[in-house]
Amino acid sequence: SAVISQKPSRDICQRGTSLTIQCQVDSQVTMMFWYRQQPGQSLTLIATANQGSEATYESGFVIDKFPISRPNLTFSTLTVSNMSPEDSSIYLCSVPYGGLGYTFGSGTRLTVV
Amino acid sequence: LAKTTQPISMDSYEGQEVNITCSHNNIATNDYITWYQQFPSQGPRFIIQGYKTKVTNEVASLFIPADRKSSTLSLPRVSLSDTAVYYCLVGDNTGGFKTIFGAGTRLFVKA
Repeated sequence: SAVISQKPSRDICQRGTSLTIQCQVDSQVTMMFWYRQQPGQSLTLIATANQGSEATYESGFVIDKFPISRPNLTFSTLTVSNMSPEDSSIYLCSVPYGGLGYTFGSGTRLTVV
Repeated sequence: LAKTTQPISMDSYEGQEVNITCSHNNIATNDYITWYQQFPSQGPRFIIQGYKTKVTNEVASLFIPADRKSSTLSLPRVSLSDTAVYYCLVGDNTGGFKTIFGAGTRLFVKA
């Protein structure tokens, strides 16, 4: 299966600032997915990131708030912009796992104060 | 994407077999059923995937009836370390489609 390195693992940020989360995959993948998991809740898909094209955002998520970059087939970033305490969550990236579902990063635990 | 329904939570004791059932009435012909396990502060981890009948691996078994409108994840002889959230997902397995998570089932294994 693909191995994902996600950074940072956690951060505490001031409101109004931005945080960029990185995901590095050890193999080339066409699609990467970004999720948010609020405390005690299930995962919510933020967007799908394809290399060489704009990310596709799910309802309730906009590019100005969660800009995504996908410069190549092994790397992607998600930025959480102009943060507020409501953005405190775990953010995860995932990639397809060879026809057997998806592999997930270990997550970034974000606390906004 | 087919919607899934699972019990919110389940309790069990060490050494027991645990069966978690998932309903997916609108499953499509090309859809597979995949189960994930998630521990606190970790990303979900693939457990098992199947299309029909029965699939077994070193961790679990997956039972899928002929109509495929439900599936049952079976965990044999659970231990305390199996306490986690279990998610049932239904969708294409080519990796080209987004995966939508339901609420999941919180399994508590007691000593």
